Amino acid sequence: DTGVSQDPRHKITKRGQNVTFRCDPISEHNRLYWYRQTLGQGPEFLTYFQNEAQLEKSRLLSDRFSAERPKGSFSTLEIQRTEQGDSAMYLCASSFSGFGLNTEAFFGQGTRLTVV
Amino acid sequence: GQQLNQSPQSMFIQEGEDVSMNCTSSSIFNTWLWYKQDPGEGPVLLIALYKAGELTSNGRLTAQFGITRKDSFLNISASIPSDVGIYFCAGRFNTNAGKSTFGDGTTLTVKP
Repeated sequence: DTGVSQDPRHKITKRGQNVTFRCDPISEHNRLYWYRQTLGQGPEFLTYFQNEAQLEKSRLLSDRFSAERPKGSFSTLEIQRTEQGDSAMYLCASSFSGFGLNTEAFFGQGTRLTVV
Repeated sequence: GQQLNQSPQSMFIQEGEDVSMNCTSSSIFNTWLWYKQDPGEGPVLLIALYKAGELTSNGRLTAQFGITRKDSFLNISASIPSDVGIYFCAGRFNTNAGKSTFGDGTTLTVKP
């Protein structure tokens, strides 16, 4: 396993279109997170899953955003009716649950979304 | 909500110099993390801190968890060109929960 994999790496879409991103976590990890990062800022938490259960959602995750992790493995993040303000890097991370250094998250390389 | 103030925003140093950056929070955290992010990549964990007062090293990097649990600092000794990047602090209130709150980063430039 080479780490957290995200697809696509880059996406350019027209305003109003729907987009879907995929994240494949490190295979043994039961937790999966989505963050959004805009230029000049740190990542902002969007949501996380433990296995297939979505345990927490940020208020940043408007009703145009939906995330799924149907079998507790890969996850998808869909944005409907994209807006220019959605332009950002979308980062996925995964981890074991629990406490301690070996439960900290590993990040993927991100999907950079540009809405034109 | 929780906010992290990270400073300085950017640093320009000569190779071989030591670097110090810090992070303060309006809220108490029970875990402090330091990450490095290179262009086009995701953040990579450098150091994790779990106890107030804890001082932890990772090679030339040393980080401390402040006694008040509202701050942390990262030192890099004898900087080298590959230290260039953006350094983020992150805090987490719950030790066993996934969500971390990130600062806005310190951009480090190292001149050879």
